[in-house]
Amino acid sequence: GAVVSQHPSWVICKSGTSVKIECRSLDFQATTMFWYRQFPKQSLMLMATSNEGSKATYEQGVEKDKFLINHASLTLSTLTVTSAHPEDSSFYICSAPARGGFTDTQYFGPGTRLTVL
Amino acid sequence: GESVGLHLPTLSVQEGDNSIINCAYSNSASDYFIWYKQESGKGPQFIIDIRSNMDKRQGQRVTVLLNKTVKHLSLQIAATQPGDSAVYFCAFGGFKTIFGAGTRLFVKA
Repeated sequence: GAVVSQHPSWVICKSGTSVKIECRSLDFQATTMFWYRQFPKQSLMLMATSNEGSKATYEQGVEKDKFLINHASLTLSTLTVTSAHPEDSSFYICSAPARGGFTDTQYFGPGTRLTVL
Repeated sequence: GESVGLHLPTLSVQEGDNSIINCAYSNSASDYFIWYKQESGKGPQFIIDIRSNMDKRQGQRVTVLLNKTVKHLSLQIAATQPGDSAVYFCAFGGFKTIFGAGTRLFVKA
């Protein structure tokens, strides 16, 4: 089946620094990828849609200047958390539809645990 | 907007018994619903899906039931095993996937 990877799997950073998280589709191409955030014991919350070759679209309430998304190729999307603060500590998960179209099954990455000190 | 919710936040079952996890959803034009399993520290794993033109769909040890009249979705796991212990999410599919609140399933040996 389709595989989505994330790097790093966990990261600890100091408050005020920026952190980049990578999401890769390993055996398929994805013109669209999605970024989610999950706080402990809560559900996944969709943050934004990453679009290859164009700007990302953000969900209501998500600061686009704080969560920078770049979809540089058909297999790579990156999420940069800028000027991170402790409240940004969370589990960040990306997904990609295997065929890149409507109602396709989403394949999820293993997640990245971000801890901001 | 769309929302997907759950009746039971925690479910504890005996190994070998059947498990039923429920999900209620609000008014929606979606025709696609999915169940995901998430183990601790991992990303969600696809279990089974169903479209709105269906009432039931079966997989290996799992069955999804959809009642559009009362906007209710359920996941049935037959002969529950310790490896089934996880959090289960119903999700509303389409171009974007929106998740419900989740139910934690504990399987007692």
